[in-house]
Amino acid sequence: DQQVKQNSPSLSVQEGRISILNCDYTNSMFDYFLWYKKYPAEGPTFLISISSIKDKNEDGRFTVFLNKSAKHLSLHIVPSQPGDSAVYFCAASPYNTDKLIFGTGTRLQVFP
Amino acid sequence: NAGVMQNPRHLVRRRGQEARLRCSPMKGHSHVYWYRQLPEEGLKFMVYLQKENIIDESGMPKERFSAEFPKEGPSILRIQQVVRGDSAAYFCASSRLREGRNEQYFGPGTRLTVT
Repeated sequence: DQQVKQNSPSLSVQEGRISILNCDYTNSMFDYFLWYKKYPAEGPTFLISISSIKDKNEDGRFTVFLNKSAKHLSLHIVPSQPGDSAVYFCAASPYNTDKLIFGTGTRLQVFP
Repeated sequence: NAGVMQNPRHLVRRRGQEARLRCSPMKGHSHVYWYRQLPEEGLKFMVYLQKENIIDESGMPKERFSAEFPKEGPSILRIQQVVRGDSAAYFCASSRLREGRNEQYFGPGTRLTVT
């Protein structure tokens, strides 16, 4: 039972344009959401998080949007850079625990 | 400011042997989490520990797997009598002790291969 879903296994975007990565969840108990970036043979790197009391959080080129009614969140990267090419994981945490439930990831490729 | 450290980075074990994976959290962090990533899958939560306490082990297999985080020294994930299905990347993460929700920072992982 996949509680956090990233339905697009891959995404290709031109440098300078916007990258939009999507994530859906099914568990209403999730109240904290995070995005991580992962390069091959490395651990995930924290990018940005959002609490369920907010619908938007911004940090530099990265913005996360949360739509609780649709149980959907997205990560916007603008402008996209070649160094952003990596696998992006969405993760969620239930309100009564600190464990993270991860999606299966979306591979982003930013080409010149 | 060192990040989360894991060793070894690569570990090869024959079926039936024991595997010990070590994790040192970031300075100032007192919460440790272990996750496992099988090939072509996302990370799966295994266990959450604080110093000398297991807080949540709901993701740990019932047999052969154990974890500890002693008062002194790193956290240890121990797998006894390894089988081929244990081959995976094992990631440790740590977070601060503070109110509210805290992001977890990950180490580089230990890649376990069971032959």
